[in-house]
Amino acid sequence: GENVEQHPSTLSVQEGDSAVIKCTYSDSASNYFPWYKQELGKRPQLIIDIRSNVGEKKDQRIAVTLNKTAKHFSLHITETQPEDSAVYFCAARKGGSYIPTFGRGTSLIVHP
Amino acid sequence: SAVISQKPSRDICQRGTSLTIQCQVDSQVTMMFWYRQQPGQSLTLIATANQGSEATYESGFVIDKFPISRPNLTFSTLTVSNMSPEDSSIYLCSVPRGGETQYFGPGTRLLVL
Repeated sequence: GENVEQHPSTLSVQEGDSAVIKCTYSDSASNYFPWYKQELGKRPQLIIDIRSNVGEKKDQRIAVTLNKTAKHFSLHITETQPEDSAVYFCAARKGGSYIPTFGRGTSLIVHP
Repeated sequence: SAVISQKPSRDICQRGTSLTIQCQVDSQVTMMFWYRQQPGQSLTLIATANQGSEATYESGFVIDKFPISRPNLTFSTLTVSNMSPEDSSIYLCSVPRGGETQYFGPGTRLLVL
């Protein structure tokens, strides 16, 4: 089955800095890659996603890149703010399935 | 987006007892999913709740421990049976959104003493 590795497990940055979280996946049949943000005590919420026919996608301060050849995808957050502090999960999903495989999560801490 | 509610939002239970968690969606959905999130860990799929048929369990999860009901297209329950402290987790239901990803309920925080 699919295996998703996520790094780092913890990331501490100063407000205004950029943050990058990286994931790798094992199954070349995976074609959909969502990213979730989970604030303390709350549900995971989708923040951005990318499909395998696209190399990069941006939404304001958030961007995701995908390298299908290397089976890597990354989340980039620019101009970080304290409210970006949360646990971020990457995931990979195969076509025809509703069920993604999640990474282990990255705890992002943004210091004011 | 679908609106999902869960009951209870949290509970503290004694070992050996059982707890039933309810998940209600405001629109009909074919598939509902139950996840477990152990403290500080990722999201692990327990089972897919199918309306009109038995749930499909993932490796490591069995029906005797986590019986699931799906009486209609908007409701499902997950029971955590014969609980031990290792069952202390957040339990989340989810539904597909936009044919793509998962949309999660608010979760049930369970502590087993």
